[in-house]
This record gives sequence, structure tokens and C-alpha cells, in this order.
Amino acid sequence: EPEVTQTPSHQVTQMGQEVILRCVPISNHLYFYWYRQILGQKVEFLVSFYNNEISEKSEIFDDQFSVERPDGSNFTLKIRSTKLEDSAMYFCASSPDLLPGNTIYFGEGSWLTVV
Amino acid sequence: GDSVTQMEGPVTLSEEAFLTINCTYTATGYPSLFWYVQYPGEGLQLLLKATKADDKGSNKGFEATYRKETTSFHLEKGSVQVSDSAVYFCALNKQGDKLIFGTGTRLQVFP
Repeated sequence: EPEVTQTPSHQVTQMGQEVILRCVPISNHLYFYWYRQILGQKVEFLVSFYNNEISEKSEIFDDQFSVERPDGSNFTLKIRSTKLEDSAMYFCASSPDLLPGNTIYFGEGSWLTVV
Repeated sequence: GDSVTQMEGPVTLSEEAFLTINCTYTATGYPSLFWYVQYPGEGLQLLLKATKADDKGSNKGFEATYRKETTSFHLEKGSVQVSDSAVYFCALNKQGDKLIFGTGTRLQVFP
């Protein structure tokens, strides 16, 4: 079964450093998402991406965050200058369309620890 | 705005016990409703879904019925197994767009 793959599975970084989290969505999907889950808390929407541009972003997704689909297969999340509070599991997700009830498929997550 | 409320966990059960995890939602319009499961060390997997009122989603012995009158989508299983131990997330979306999740409910099943 096709799946969303994410790398790295775990990254430790120093505060202030830039981090890039990578994702390969399912190949025929058109809509891409990033979510995050701070330890013990709910899964929160960060950003959605369609047709090479951001379609929606949450309040969390400030100027420190950016997304890119550089080569038609990868989908990346960049955090420019990490803060301690960015420590979380980051999930990439994709879906084929926006029909009601469509399934959004998630990767296994990238665990980011900022020290 | 739209939101999902789940019962607090953890829920601790013995194997073969009956499971209910409550989920209620607040949303304008006609959302689709989902249950996702997160097994230890893994990502989120879709467990089941329902797209309109009175629909019942089911998978792996789990069921949930979309109740518009009570704005609920409670998850049930007649006989849980140790392998069902996981965190369960109720979620909604509209027009297939971003998911809005509840806080998650941890289920622990003991032999």
C-alpha cells in the first residue's frame, strides 16, 4: 500500500538552528499538509499546500516556518530559527482530493528535539 | 470555530471488555467525522470514518455512528485486545480539507 514517508525520524538540534523536515507524499496525491503534536497534546494543523502554494495556514505557522515542494516529489517544512517550544512530533500528510470524507494519509512523523 | 471534544484518558480495560470512547463535535455545516489511531512509536492511521448523519463507520471490530442530533461520534468495540492499546483521536473536516483533532484518548488493555 502506498505510504507517506518522512525523514529524519528523529532530529536533535540546538536552539536557533535551522531545521528541514522532509516528506515524500503518496505519488498521485495533490494536497499536502504538515501537522505537529507537542508531547502529550493534541495534533495541530500547521499548513496545507496545493498547486505549489499555501492554501491555508494556522496561527502557529508564523514567519519562522516555510514549506516547499522543490522537485515534484518531496515536500519540506523548514523552521528557520528553532525555539525550545518547537520540540514536537511533526507529521506530514497527503490526500488525493478535497471530496467530503476523503482520507488524509499520515507519515510516521519526525520527532524534533530542540535543546 | 469548529472543534472536537474527547473524553479524558487513560482508559484502562481488561482484555475482552467493552470499550466506549466518547467524542462530540462543534461545527457549522456538514462535517465528515473520523477516528484515527496512533500505536506506540507509530504515526496516525485512519481507523474509520463517516461522512453523513446516521452513517456507521467500522473497521477491525471498532464502530462509530455519526449522530447529528447529539453531535457525537462515539467509538465502540465489543471485546478489546491487548493489541488495541494505543491513542485514539477523533477528528472532523469539511469539504475534505484540514483535519481538526480532539486531544486523544489513551487506551490501555491488560491481559
